[in-house]
Amino acid sequence: NAGVTQTPKFQVLKTGQSMTLQCAQDMNHEYMSWYRQDPGMGLRLIHYSVGAGITDQGEVPNGYNVSRSTTEDFPLRLLSAAPSQTSVYFCASSSWGVQETQYFGPGTRLLVL
Amino acid sequence: EDQVTQSPEALRLQEGESSSLNCSYTVSGLRGLFWYRQDPGKGPEFLFTLYSAGEEKEKERLKATLTKKESFLHITAPKPEDSATYLCAVRGDDKIIFGKGTRLHILP
Repeated sequence: NAGVTQTPKFQVLKTGQSMTLQCAQDMNHEYMSWYRQDPGMGLRLIHYSVGAGITDQGEVPNGYNVSRSTTEDFPLRLLSAAPSQTSVYFCASSSWGVQETQYFGPGTRLLVL
Repeated sequence: EDQVTQSPEALRLQEGESSSLNCSYTVSGLRGLFWYRQDPGKGPEFLFTLYSAGEEKEKERLKATLTKKESFLHITAPKPEDSATYLCAVRGDDKIIFGKGTRLHILP
């Protein structure tokens, strides 16, 4: 049981490049989400999904796309990277219901030059 | 709009000196309040989920309580290994929104 995995751990991009941050979970959780964490800003919700085929916007969705074709995977796509997207990105998953517990991945550190 | 405010931003305590962290929230229909611990360079680690006013949860030196407007994380006789950032989050509808956290430093 690996929990929530994220790849890559670290990435450097040039302005305008695109890339996909991968996230996978093996706990059969319905709910998955992406956050970015910046100094002094806490964790801000980018996109979330309540099940395969269903996604919705969070607090800061601009510049990011998501899709959820399977229960296990929830990739985050940066369409045209900007320096403002330099951040640490966390993926999380949880099951709905009694005693919800949200599990986080180890994070992806992204630097956009 | 759902909001979560945590205070203080940072707290330094001597080992053994008990204190409380505050999380005040505004949400239309609370469906869960969560506490996490985050160590530098790591993802947040789940501590507690609280659902209704009056509910309390305990784990070692930590106790979380909930009222209709805020939650407290009480730390009793802390040790240096309790040093971390403590995050509070709320779920209103389907979104889980976080506060900015409290950085706790326990001095030996």
